[in-house]
Amino acid sequence: GAVVSQHPSRVICKSGTSVKIECRSLDFQATTMFWYRQFPKKSLMLMATSNEGSKATYEQGVEKDKFLINHASLTLSTLTVTSAHPEDSSFYICSARDLGSGQETQYFGPGTRLLVL
Amino acid sequence: GEDVEQSLFLSVREGDSSVINCTYTDSSSTYLYWYKQEPGAGLQLLTYIFSNMDMKQDQRLTVLLNKKDKHLSLRIADTQTGDSAIYFCAVLLSGGYNKLIFGAGTRLAVHP
Repeated sequence: GAVVSQHPSRVICKSGTSVKIECRSLDFQATTMFWYRQFPKKSLMLMATSNEGSKATYEQGVEKDKFLINHASLTLSTLTVTSAHPEDSSFYICSARDLGSGQETQYFGPGTRLLVL
Repeated sequence: GEDVEQSLFLSVREGDSSVINCTYTDSSSTYLYWYKQEPGAGLQLLTYIFSNMDMKQDQRLTVLLNKKDKHLSLRIADTQTGDSAIYFCAVLLSGGYNKLIFGAGTRLAVHP
């Protein structure tokens, strides 16, 4: 199957700093990528849909100024958590939609664990 | 809103079959998926089924879809300890939104 990578896999930062997480589709082009957040022992919560070359679409309740998304190329989307606080600590997972497969499939990255102290 | 529900926990003996069930509310969903998540890792796409199919088999995995009852199941034959993980059912939201709606996940524990 298609491969999606995320970097970093784990990050610890101080409260008030910003953290950037990268999501890359390695062997396919992704016009659409998705960012999810997962709380411990919970399901995935869709935060936003990232479209290449246009603004991201945020889900209700997700602050777009706090979670900045940039999808500058067909293989890269970034999520920046601005002025992070301890309540932003979570597991962030991206996925990429592989239209080239001819099927409606999303492939997920390995996730980034963020801990804000 | 759309909802996907799964039982939270399943325990099986090694070598037995596991059946994980899922119900959903969006009757217009075209694609339905099963993902596997191991501790600390992302989601691995196991299999998916298109809504015009009743069954799909892929090696040890069998997916059954009952559209009338909006019920999806994943059967794992000859379950191994390496199958221990959380299994998420997901449906593609209809209406061109391209969004996946996930269930809460079923934690499968395989014991000797």
